[in-house]
Amino acid sequence: GEDVEQSLFLSVREGDSSVINCTYTDSSSTYLYWYKQEPGAGLQLLTYIFSNMDMKQDQRLTVLLNKKDKHLSLRIADTQTGDSAIYFCAESHDPDSWGKLQFGAGTQVVVTP
Amino acid sequence: DGGITQSPKYLFRKEGQNVTLSCEQNLNHDAMYWYRQDPGQGLRLIYYSQIVNDFQKGDIAEGYSVSREKKESFPLTVTSAQKNPTAFYLCASSIVFPGQEDYGYTFGSGTRLTVV
Repeated sequence: GEDVEQSLFLSVREGDSSVINCTYTDSSSTYLYWYKQEPGAGLQLLTYIFSNMDMKQDQRLTVLLNKKDKHLSLRIADTQTGDSAIYFCAESHDPDSWGKLQFGAGTQVVVTP
Repeated sequence: DGGITQSPKYLFRKEGQNVTLSCEQNLNHDAMYWYRQDPGQGLRLIYYSQIVNDFQKGDIAEGYSVSREKKESFPLTVTSAQKNPTAFYLCASSIVFPGQEDYGYTFGSGTRLTVV
């Protein structure tokens, strides 16, 4: 089964906060990432968090990590129409290779005026 | 500026033909990856390489081949054995070992392959 799971769709009104959730199964995960994909484009790294952190904030983005529940979330404050995209959660799960990531299926975020 | 370049952006292939997708990076990354993305689906790993002249199969390697003759380049060939090749293909690169701050993958902008 999936090592990283995400809900598939989120609709949010412009100006509201968005929260995208992700769960993972590998307790040895060391880094967890959020990527953004706009239509027809590659993935862009938004932010990442080390597994020894609980929270990381970067401008409108807040990442929360609950290691006990293996739950990761991305909060986007004051969501704008430009935030409409697919958001992927990913984790490094191979202790022998820092580079190899496991991706979730992606959450389609639609921002409505 | 350093980055990763995929070409072409759009590619059309006739059934029964092999086609090669280009991926070049100047980030000095050791590892490179190929993913396939179908509409409404996540990323599926085709092949990856952590060092020159070595590569490993991912989850859906059948019908694909790769080479890694140079650190900067990781071309993907979609062969006629791939039964359903129409998809969006993404190349990525990364560091392999810790010690640097640049973690995670850097992605190319993708190649959309259509079989006609």
